[in-house]
Amino acid sequence: GQQLNQSPQSMFIQEGEDVSMNCTSSSIFNTWLWYKQDPGEGPVLLIALYKAGELTSNGRLTAQFGTTRKDSFLNISASIPSDVGIYFCAGQDGQNFVFGPGTRLSVLP
Amino acid sequence: GAGVSQSPRYKVAKRGQDVALRCDPISGHVSLFWYQQALGQGPEFLTYFQNEAQLDKSGLPSDRFFAERPEGSVSTLKIQRTQQEDSAVYLCASSLRGGGYEQYFGPGTRLTVT
Repeated sequence: GQQLNQSPQSMFIQEGEDVSMNCTSSSIFNTWLWYKQDPGEGPVLLIALYKAGELTSNGRLTAQFGTTRKDSFLNISASIPSDVGIYFCAGQDGQNFVFGPGTRLSVLP
Repeated sequence: GAGVSQSPRYKVAKRGQDVALRCDPISGHVSLFWYQQALGQGPEFLTYFQNEAQLDKSGLPSDRFFAERPEGSVSTLKIQRTQQEDSAVYLCASSLRGGGYEQYFGPGTRLTVT
């Protein structure tokens, strides 16, 4: 089946720094979703992208649908402690979505 | 409004026991999905319903796994004769429309098979 790669696997940043992460695939996707998951909870939808080249913001979060349709990027500006968690990208595969392995974000106070 | 709810949140089963996991989707959501999430990994697709019709069950790992959504709302994922490798978090998600649209997840059921 289709697989997604997420980079970096994990990152430690200082509070207030900006964060960038990406998701790549060998296959084309028509929709990208970005989720954040806290321990013991289900993934929470952050941003949905439906068109190649689309740039969408949600507060301090900005995500882009890559023009090749094989990648997507998520940026977090001015990180705060509550940004800690695992960020998953998901690409549309037919009627459901394929998820990446996640990027684990840790914020140092 | 109410989100997706799942019960129980935690389930411990002895190997060989049958278990049933329940999902209440967001009211009015047509599509319902089940995912399995192993520790440290992303969710993996199990099965998909549109209303009461199970349109895709290609992700179910064996014939011990069975899902139903008889009235197009609540869904149950049943695992028969549980094995240790079934230990995982089982996530349910619902979507307002058909596939390829935003999915909203419940908190998951953590199943531990001893």
